[in-house]
Amino acid sequence: GQQVMQIPQYQHVQEGEDFTTYCNSSTTLSNIQWYKQRPGGHPVFLIQLVKSGEVKKQKRLTFQFGEAKKNSSLHITATQTTDVGTYFCAGLAFSTTDSWGKFQFGAGTQVVVTP
Amino acid sequence: NAGVTQTPKFQVLKTGQSMTLQCAQDMNHNSMYWYRQDPGMGLRLIYYSASEGTTDKGEVPNGYNVSRLNKREFSLRLESAAPSQTSVYFCASKMDRGANYGYTFGSGTRLTVV
Repeated sequence: GQQVMQIPQYQHVQEGEDFTTYCNSSTTLSNIQWYKQRPGGHPVFLIQLVKSGEVKKQKRLTFQFGEAKKNSSLHITATQTTDVGTYFCAGLAFSTTDSWGKFQFGAGTQVVVTP
Repeated sequence: NAGVTQTPKFQVLKTGQSMTLQCAQDMNHNSMYWYRQDPGMGLRLIYYSASEGTTDKGEVPNGYNVSRLNKREFSLRLESAAPSQTSVYFCASKMDRGANYGYTFGSGTRLTVV
């Protein structure tokens, strides 16, 4: 079945540095979504990517969908302490009726920011 | 606008006890979901309801049952709790089951089974 893997599992970043987290799927994806979960909180929807090679930006966050639609990345520039949390990607396998609505979540990248 | 409301927030059960986790959304969403979150394993789908009147199994349904009471409410029941069901449970909703919408999650229920 479809598997979504995220690397790294854990990222320790100095405030002001940039970092990137990656999401890789074993199958071609129709859509990919990204979520952020603050410590002790719940996942919050950030963005969805649909098109091959698509790039979207939200302030210091840049999201990219791979050309083959099997991977995605989240790049954060000039990390701030407010970026602390776990970032999840969630992928939807490409067009099977059974998969409708059932995005497969990765295990997440836990980000710790040192002032 | 409350979004997705889950109760209770915390619960401790003894092995073999039963309980129901409640979830309600006020966004007029059609699809609702129950996930469990365990360290290092991300979010795993237990059951979902694509629309009122329908429910389907997800990735890890064993030991759970669900009821879509109406469009707003989707409950998760543990009939005989086991220590392996210790987890954080999240209810989520989405406009519909299609691919074009993100999930809105509730604040979670932290369940410990001893």
